[in-house]
Amino acid sequence: QKEVEQNSGPLSVPEGAIASLNCTYSDRGSQSFFWYRQYSGKSPELIMSIYSNGDKEDGRFTAQLNKASQYVSLLIRDSQPSDSATYLCAVNTNAGKSTFGDGTTLTVKP
Amino acid sequence: GAGVSQSPSNKVTEKGKDVELRCDPISGHTALYWYRQSLGQGLEFLIYFQGNSAPDKSGLPSDRFSAERTGGSVSTLTIQRTQQEDSAVYLCASSSGLAGYGYTFGSGTRLTVV
Repeated sequence: QKEVEQNSGPLSVPEGAIASLNCTYSDRGSQSFFWYRQYSGKSPELIMSIYSNGDKEDGRFTAQLNKASQYVSLLIRDSQPSDSATYLCAVNTNAGKSTFGDGTTLTVKP
Repeated sequence: GAGVSQSPSNKVTEKGKDVELRCDPISGHTALYWYRQSLGQGLEFLIYFQGNSAPDKSGLPSDRFSAERTGGSVSTLTIQRTQQEDSAVYLCASSSGLAGYGYTFGSGTRLTVV
């Protein structure tokens, strides 16, 4: 079992829909959780971080964390073609070092 | 600088040659990480520096790979006797080193071994 697992996708949604990206992790001691966006040919960019159970909203993005279920998700409301990218889930288990999932590729179709 | 700077952005080298990749982290960031990413694949962890602690080298794929960080700032990743399977994008990232902070990535070095 991988330490951080994501649906490999690809995930395709129509413009204006809600995109839901999911991630599970194996280490119950994990404390910090991150979502990165990586456009094709570019480097990953941090878009969301979450530390407590519940929801955290930032514009069209909502991160959800459930530590009991070892599950973290990212919702993108009103999806735009510019949201088309690979989304990486990352979990901090030791101080500052993150473990990354393999990413989910999202395509938003106009 | 404002961001993580990596050089060169592209490197083409012949099989068997040595290469050095450079990373200049964000000023004040104590943690520095090297990853590599092959085409269409996820991030592969290579090495992690945190302050003055011994680096976490657990991801280095072979003894041909080494890295150093001088003065707690700039880092150099060296690959000796390059092989075609070393071709990838090498990404450097830095962070404050605290558990609650994510990474800032550089733009990467695309290494092609011919």
